[in-house]
Amino acid sequence: KNEVEQSPQNLTAQEGEFITINCSYSVGISALHWLQQHPGGGIVSLFMLSSGKKKHGRLIATINIQEKHSSLHITASHPRDSAVYICSISNFGNEKLTFGTGTRLTIIP
Amino acid sequence: EPEVTQTPSHQVTQMGQEVILRCVPISNHLYFYWYRQILGQKVEFLVSFYNNEISEKSEIFDDQFSVERPDGSNFTLKIRSTKLEDSAMYFCASSSRVNTEAFFGQGTRLTVV
Repeated sequence: KNEVEQSPQNLTAQEGEFITINCSYSVGISALHWLQQHPGGGIVSLFMLSSGKKKHGRLIATINIQEKHSSLHITASHPRDSAVYICSISNFGNEKLTFGTGTRLTIIP
Repeated sequence: EPEVTQTPSHQVTQMGQEVILRCVPISNHLYFYWYRQILGQKVEFLVSFYNNEISEKSEIFDDQFSVERPDGSNFTLKIRSTKLEDSAMYFCASSSRVNTEAFFGQGTRLTVV
């Protein structure tokens, strides 16, 4: 069974700060997904990655397969980035996603 | 941009009643999923569906639950006799292939009273 751990659980930062959210998992995966859950509850996919690094606007996701660890970075954070960020994984030959508990990010103006 | 749509956005039902949650996945997607999130908890997998049959289900997905793709566009989750503990946000998702990006609907908040 693959467990997904995220840290921190809660993060409050000032607008403009550089944000890092961490995710670790216990066994090999086919892909790792970073998702964003808005206050209304909807879930949006931010990244899917299986190696290296991806960048989209101010968001950067990295993964280290050997260390079973991924990070999500937000540069120049903004209050509109306030949301719950969820790490989830998919295993080889298995379509479902296994989710972490999420990191609640609050950016203060 | 194509999106997954779910209806209703919120449903309140009496304990013991049947509910049907509806989803319209993205049109060219082949893999469909239901997940749920109890308030304050993490998202949990319920069931995956491919080629008109269940491909995997979790322990949560017992005989009270069923899924159907009745007409090639809708994907439904039925809970036969709701319990208080079924109160949760239910998310539908779809993907084009295995291990590709999943697209989520906005969720249906089910409240069982």
